[in-house]
Amino acid sequence: AQSVTQLGSHVSVSEGALVLLRCNYSSSVPPYLFWYVQYPNQGLQLLLKYTSAATLVKGINGFEAEFKKSETSFHLTKPSAHMSDAAEYFCAVSGENKLVFGAGTILRVKS
Amino acid sequence: DAGITQSPRYKITETGRQVTLMCHQTWSHSYMFWYRQDLGHGLRLIYYSAAADITDKGEVPDGYVVSRSKTENFPLTLESATRSQTSVYFCASSEYGDLNTEAFFGQGTRLTVV
Repeated sequence: AQSVTQLGSHVSVSEGALVLLRCNYSSSVPPYLFWYVQYPNQGLQLLLKYTSAATLVKGINGFEAEFKKSETSFHLTKPSAHMSDAAEYFCAVSGENKLVFGAGTILRVKS
Repeated sequence: DAGITQSPRYKITETGRQVTLMCHQTWSHSYMFWYRQDLGHGLRLIYYSAAADITDKGEVPDGYVVSRSKTENFPLTLESATRSQTSVYFCASSEYGDLNTEAFFGQGTRLTVV
């Protein structure tokens, strides 16, 4: 069965600093991996997805993630944090006709 | 309007009552899903549906019932609500089941069981 583990339930960065949100996956087959973002009182929206076409995936709002099979990781990064990036971020893996989510990481951006 | 909508957005109910959460999508997506979101657990799948009249259990199905008589609707019923079912519920839809395509989420229903 597929699963994901997000390291760190809360991450705090200063505005302009690098954002790094960690995700490790477990999958018995080549995975499809996703990052979703949830702003307060809203549903989830897709940031980016990995579908084996390229290991470095670029998403919306300047985010990107790199698929590393040897490390079973799919970490999310952004070079320079903006106040509007404050939200909760979810890593997810697909399999058996459904998405399996991690526990989420709340990103706080300090001015 | 095109999209996926959930109703109600907020609901307070008493222990033991039956309550139904509604989900409607306008894209004719084949797959629909119900998740619950709880602090520390992320989103956990309750039930999903591959097409009309086809449903299957997810990770935490106990105490919930679903139906899908029409492609566009996927209601979730709590037969006898318990306090442990206090949560935020999200409905989602996807065109394909292998999910290398995007899943679209509703705004969520915040349910409180007192």
